Formats: sequence, structure tokens, C-alpha cells
Amino acid sequence: RKEVEQDPGPFNVPEGATVAFNCTYSNSASQSFFWYRQDCRKEPKLLMSVYSSGNEDGRFTAQLNRASQYISLLIRDSKLSDSATYLCVVTLEGYQKVTFGTGTKLQVIP
Amino acid sequence: DAEITQSPRHKITETGRQVTLACHQTWNHNNMFWYRQDLGHGLRLIHYSYGVQDTNKGEVSDGYSVSRSNTEDLPLTLESAASSQTSVYFCASSAGDGYEQYFGPGTRLTVT
Repeated sequence: RKEVEQDPGPFNVPEGATVAFNCTYSNSASQSFFWYRQDCRKEPKLLMSVYSSGNEDGRFTAQLNRASQYISLLIRDSKLSDSATYLCVVTLEGYQKVTFGTGTKLQVIP
Repeated sequence: DAEITQSPRHKITETGRQVTLACHQTWNHNNMFWYRQDLGHGLRLIHYSYGVQDTNKGEVSDGYSVSRSNTEDLPLTLESAASSQTSVYFCASSAGDGYEQYFGPGTRLTVT
């Protein structure tokens, strides 16, 4: 089993739709979780951290489920500009173990 | 504004040559990282540093080395470039443990 797994997609959704991605991790001792966004041929950029209590930033909501060992990202009212690859990041024991998922590609269509 | 830069942005080199990729950050971050990104593998950690004179091996460190002589720079050296090292390389920095990482724009390296 991979340490961090994401559905590669692509997820093709119409503008205005709600879409959700999950990311599962294998090590129950994982400590910090993040979602990054990466546009084609560009560097990853932090979208949001994921807290145990869940957190929301505008149209984006991140959740952590430690019991089932996954994090999720919900995007409401999708915009064309949301088209990108979304990477989940799991860290263990600080930076001694930083694992990126291979990403989920989202394509929002008009 | 604080930033993180990489140079060169594109590099073509021959097998066996030594190559150094530069990374410079003006965030005054203690932690710096080098990753490579390949299709099907996502980002993989090569080396990282928690501060001046500190360097550590990551997941895929064979054939690479780094040095940290000041806070701002973490150059990555490929001792003897191999075709398997053709990749996109990203440098990143963060303020500390558990903080988000800020990435440079990447260097696209081709080894022929």
C-alpha cells in the first residue's frame, strides 16, 4: 500500500458543481496534513492546512478523519480557475518524512 | 516581498557531468528542501536542511549532495549526472516544523 494515495482523476466537472477529493494515508502516526494546488508546469502552492476540527476557506473545506486515515477537500461552486492538480501532503515526525500524493487532476468545464 | 528563486530554470547537460542547481530564499527560513517531480511519482524529497551547516538525506538522495553555508541558499549538486536524473527539481523553504512550505518555480533538467 502506498503511503499516501490519491485518485489521479481527471475529475471533469461543470462550472458551479461541487467536487470532493479524498487522500488516504497509511501511517497512523502522521502529524500534519496539507492540500496544495499545482498548475501545469508550475510550482505547488499551499491551498490550505488541514486541522483535526476541519477548516474552511471560502469555497474550500478540508477535513481530517484520523480513524479512517484520510483527508478530504471539498470545493463548492467550482470555477474555471479551479482547474489544476491538487496534491495532498502528509508529514511524519516533522520533516524527517514528508510525503506528497501524486495528485488529483480537476478540470472545470464551461 | 520575500521570495524563493531557482536558477537555472532550464538546463541540458551530458551524462557524467557535474551540475549544480541554485536555490535562494529571502524569507529568512531555517528549513529548506529539494524535491524532484516525475510523472507517476509525485514529489520526492532529495535532501533537506534545518539550518546553517545542517543537511539531511531524503527519500531519493543517491547521486545528489547539498551544502548549507548560509540561511538563504541551498545549492543541489549532481555529482555525475545520469539520464535517470532528468526531472523537474523544486526547492522549498518553511519557517519551521509543521509550517507550510513555499516552493520555487522549479528547474527543468535534461540529462542526455
